[in-house]
Amino acid sequence: GAGVSQTPSNKVTEKGKYVELRCDPISGHTALYWYRQSLGQGPEFLIYFQGTGAADDSGLPNDRFFAVRPEGSVSTLKIQRTERGDSAVYLCASSLGGGAREQFFGPGTRLTVL
Amino acid sequence: AQSVTQLGSHVSVSEGALVLLRCNYSSSVPPYLFWYVQYPNQGLQLLLKYTSAATLVKGINGFEAEFKKSETSFHLTKPSAHMSDAAEYFCAVIPSGGSNYKLTFGKGTLLTVNP
Repeated sequence: GAGVSQTPSNKVTEKGKYVELRCDPISGHTALYWYRQSLGQGPEFLIYFQGTGAADDSGLPNDRFFAVRPEGSVSTLKIQRTERGDSAVYLCASSLGGGAREQFFGPGTRLTVL
Repeated sequence: AQSVTQLGSHVSVSEGALVLLRCNYSSSVPPYLFWYVQYPNQGLQLLLKYTSAATLVKGINGFEAEFKKSETSFHLTKPSAHMSDAAEYFCAVIPSGGSNYKLTFGKGTLLTVNP
């Protein structure tokens, strides 16, 4: 079946602009996660959804970052007033419920802020 | 807070040689442990995971890892490297209590396989 998909695969924007990154999880997966991977680093947790609600957004770096999952399926990560330091690969993952179940990752969106 | 240390940011082996990628975790309570592989321009793929059922865990593509509580380690091995194993490998943990959904990753080890 289809895996986790993310669009766009690449996004180049200018400092100060607004961007949206989209994640389509595996059908039936109730849990969805966003991670950020900077160059030379492992992915870092941003936010976790269980259904439509954000169960844990403790990893969001500041209030410029926001994520939604209005119908419990597709999620959008929104970044306002982008900064050069936001440049990274943004990874989305989904799983059958929370807990230590396997998280299936998408290919990521590479964001470059000029 | 949980942390994961991967010794060696880059490991180079010859085709057919043993692969050993090291991972140590910091936690007083053994967490759930994972190894993921990332091929260029692809998402992370789970190789194997430890969930306390058995200390020696077998994964896909001939990889295995052994959980050693006394050493707080979860090293990844493969007896004979293939060219197709060249990729970046990440060790990760999920705490056994509390936020038992949040993966904490190490910085990764890039594996190069030489012909």
